[in-house]
Amino acid sequence: GENVEQHPSTLSVQEGDSAVIKCTYSDSASNYFPWYKQELGKGPQLIIDIRSNVGEKKDQRIAVTLNKTAKHFSLHITETQPEDSAVYFCAASFGDMRFGAGTRLTVKP
Amino acid sequence: GAVVSQHPSRVICKSGTSVKIECRSLDFQATTMFWYRQFPKQSLMLMATSNEGSKATYEQGVEKDKFLINHASLTLSTLTVTSAHPEDSSFYICSASGNRGLEEQFFGPGTRLTVL
Repeated sequence: GENVEQHPSTLSVQEGDSAVIKCTYSDSASNYFPWYKQELGKGPQLIIDIRSNVGEKKDQRIAVTLNKTAKHFSLHITETQPEDSAVYFCAASFGDMRFGAGTRLTVKP
Repeated sequence: GAVVSQHPSRVICKSGTSVKIECRSLDFQATTMFWYRQFPKQSLMLMATSNEGSKATYEQGVEKDKFLINHASLTLSTLTVTSAHPEDSSFYICSASGNRGLEEQFFGPGTRLTVL
């Protein structure tokens, strides 16, 4: 089955800096890669996703890149703000969705 | 759009009782709903997948007689934790798909279950 690894587990940045979270997956058949943001005590919220026929996707301060050959994808957040502080999960899917272990991002004012 | 609600948000019950959690898709028809369990500071663990009108498919290691799932309509799925014990205490989250394709899942806000 699919195995998703996510790094780093924790990330602390200064407000205004960029943050990068990386994930690798094992099943080359996976074709859908969403990223979720989870705030304390709440359910995950989809923030951006990418499909296997696209190499990069951007939505304002958030971007995701996908390298199918290397089987890894990354989340990039630019100009970070304190409200970006949360746990971020990557996932990979070909039918069933498997999640990474999560990254706790802290943006210091 | 794509809003999923869960009820209740928090529940405390005594050991041995059963608890029902509802998951509703408010503005779309969810052909598939998923139930996850999340322990503190850990990732989401898929428990089961349910399609409207059919029996749920449980992940390996998840007791189907303990975690009863019903997906009776395109907007409602329920998870019943039967004879709950303290080790069942956890954060239960549902998600729904069907609006824009099977892969895209929209999550509910979660239900915090505490079994005393």
